[in-house]
Amino acid sequence: DAGVTQSPTHLIKTRGQQVTLRCSPISGHKSVSWYQQVLGQGPQFIFQYYEKEERGRGNFPDRFSARQFPNYSSELNVNALLLGDSALYLCASSSQGTGQPQHFGDGTRLSIL
Amino acid sequence: GDSVTQMEGPVTLSEEAFLTINCTYTATGYPSLFWYVQYPGEGLQLLLKATKADDKGSNKGFEATYRKETTSFHLEKGSVQVSDSAVYFCALVQVVSSAAGNKLTFGGGTRVLVKP
Repeated sequence: DAGVTQSPTHLIKTRGQQVTLRCSPISGHKSVSWYQQVLGQGPQFIFQYYEKEERGRGNFPDRFSARQFPNYSSELNVNALLLGDSALYLCASSSQGTGQPQHFGDGTRLSIL
Repeated sequence: GDSVTQMEGPVTLSEEAFLTINCTYTATGYPSLFWYVQYPGEGLQLLLKATKADDKGSNKGFEATYRKETTSFHLEKGSVQVSDSAVYFCALVQVVSSAAGNKLTFGGGTRVLVKP
């Protein structure tokens, strides 16, 4: 079975631009979460979606938004990009239930020039 | 809020040495605990988990025991290999709701380098 897939793999943008990152969860998983991993640090939670509804939001500005589609895939949008948005963006999916592990994709490496 | 603290790296070892990575947490309630591993250029892979006190998670020779009394979840491996070189993350999860997945809170990661 395919794991979590993310696209694109790498992306280079300039300050002020907008970007859309995409994620397809493992088949049968209904929950998708997004994390930001700055180089040398642990991932930070951005959003969680389940059944197309936002179920959790981390401490990120409103420039960050996301949505989940009927097939459970998800998009993360970031507007007005800043240099500090340069990071690895990770998507994770999980089945429902308490303590279920999240399975991560390989991420999208976003570089802001 | 919830937090996870890991020992800082890098940890440099020789092959067949014993590995310990300390992890302590602060959380309300009864979180589930995880160790994830990240190889260069890749995402995170689940290494092992424990969902309640005194549970021992194990996988690929790695072990960690959920110690509620010391709020710890230390990772151990008896004999490391060069292929174990990676960054290891300790994480906890609190249930957001019973109908959804869960928000992970990660430690800062510990880089492990195993030399032949």
